[in-house]
Amino acid sequence: DAGVIQSPRHEVTEMGQEVTLRCKPISGHNSLFWYRQTMMRGLELLIYFNNNVPIDDSGMPEDRFSAKMPNASFSTLKIQPSEPRDSAVYFCASSPPGTRQETQYFGPGTRLLVL
Amino acid sequence: SQQGEEDPQALSIQEGENATMNCSYKTSINNLQWYRQNSGRGLVHLILIRSNEREKHSGRLRVTLDTSKKSSSLLITASRAADTASYFCATALSQGGSEKLVFGKGTKLTVNP
Repeated sequence: DAGVIQSPRHEVTEMGQEVTLRCKPISGHNSLFWYRQTMMRGLELLIYFNNNVPIDDSGMPEDRFSAKMPNASFSTLKIQPSEPRDSAVYFCASSPPGTRQETQYFGPGTRLLVL
Repeated sequence: SQQGEEDPQALSIQEGENATMNCSYKTSINNLQWYRQNSGRGLVHLILIRSNEREKHSGRLRVTLDTSKKSSSLLITASRAADTASYFCATALSQGGSEKLVFGKGTKLTVNP
């Protein structure tokens, strides 16, 4: 079975540019999570969706960040404009229905570098 | 704010030895989970222990939970070089009408062959 798929795996961009990260959750999973991981702050939950609806976006750092989930098999995290402090590894995770977000399955991550 | 904090931050042992990692948390939880992250990879779920459980086993892994002390430990017995990774505890919280996992900063385990 395919796990959570993220693209791109690596992204290098210049400050001010728009960055779009993509995620395909595991088929049948109905909860999707976006995390950011840095050395300083560890793994932080940015936003999560349940049945394509954003449930908790309290972790989104600021208005430059936005996330969408137009359907059950696709989500995007957009940063516009990007800044050097956004450099991090961004993970997408999904979990199956009925588990109350227990046992999350993580994608391989997107390593973002903003110059 | 950080809910779970792992201790130690780094641990280096020889193959065959046991590795013990600890996690402390601050608020009431529904369950506590341990995840592993190999370098450059995503996190992988290892084991979940519910708030009404005290101990759980899975293969070479043993997890304990002491809700009175708000702490958990992960024991890896007979460690192997392949166990080299970072290990994170995650607490499941009900917060603001939603439930989510809050991760600690992890323990970096190195198992030397």
